[in-house]
Amino acid sequence: EIVLTQSPGTLSLSPGESATLSCRASQTVKRNFLAWYQHKPGQAPRLIIYGASRRATGIPDRFSGSGSGTDFTLTIRRLESEDFAAYYCQQYGTSPYDFGQGTKLDIK
Amino acid sequence: QVQLVESGGGVVQPGRSLRLSCAASGFTFSSFPMHWVRQAPGKGLEWVTNISPDGSDKKYSDSVMGRFTISRDNSKNILYLQMNSLTSEDTAVYLCARYVYTDSSQGLDYWGQGTLVTVSS
Repeated sequence: EIVLTQSPGTLSLSPGESATLSCRASQTVKRNFLAWYQHKPGQAPRLIIYGASRRATGIPDRFSGSGSGTDFTLTIRRLESEDFAAYYCQQYGTSPYDFGQGTKLDIK
Repeated sequence: QVQLVESGGGVVQPGRSLRLSCAASGFTFSSFPMHWVRQAPGKGLEWVTNISPDGSDKKYSDSVMGRFTISRDNSKNILYLQMNSLTSEDTAVYLCARYVYTDSSQGLDYWGQGTLVTVSS
């Protein structure tokens, strides 16, 4: 079982700033099958990044993913009000396809 | 447009059973693996189970293995989750999601809004 550890747990930033979210895996993620999701209360989660670094359809280029193996990062530049939400990483290479515990990005 | 609509949630006593449904529309349901994910109150997303397009391959998290069963009816475009021996730890919003694996997208690309299951005496 691959355990994903996200940090920080909460990130407080202002609009216009940049956010860096980390996701560390306990084992190598097969083929870098690592996705990031944005989740707002009362809404369905939204796929942001897949394959560690590829943006999903319709995701603005302010969002970028990087990393490989066991260390992955989601970067959001020029934060907008709509970006404040919870973010989860998930590995989909090896069952169980667990999520990290999440990072809550809130407005400072 | 792709739609996933969960139903079947409610309040159930510990030890009892419940079956959730996820009605799919707007895509060829039989071509896609499907997943169930849950979110307990105040907690993060937890992967629960998934099923292959033809229903022959199923995987489960340790927390539900032996108690939950995923299935699908491709003739009706419905995904199911049979939940037995429920405990308070199973209280959560249950979401179904479509899994995609193509050159241009991978992961859980469409999700339902979820159905709330509360296990309480």
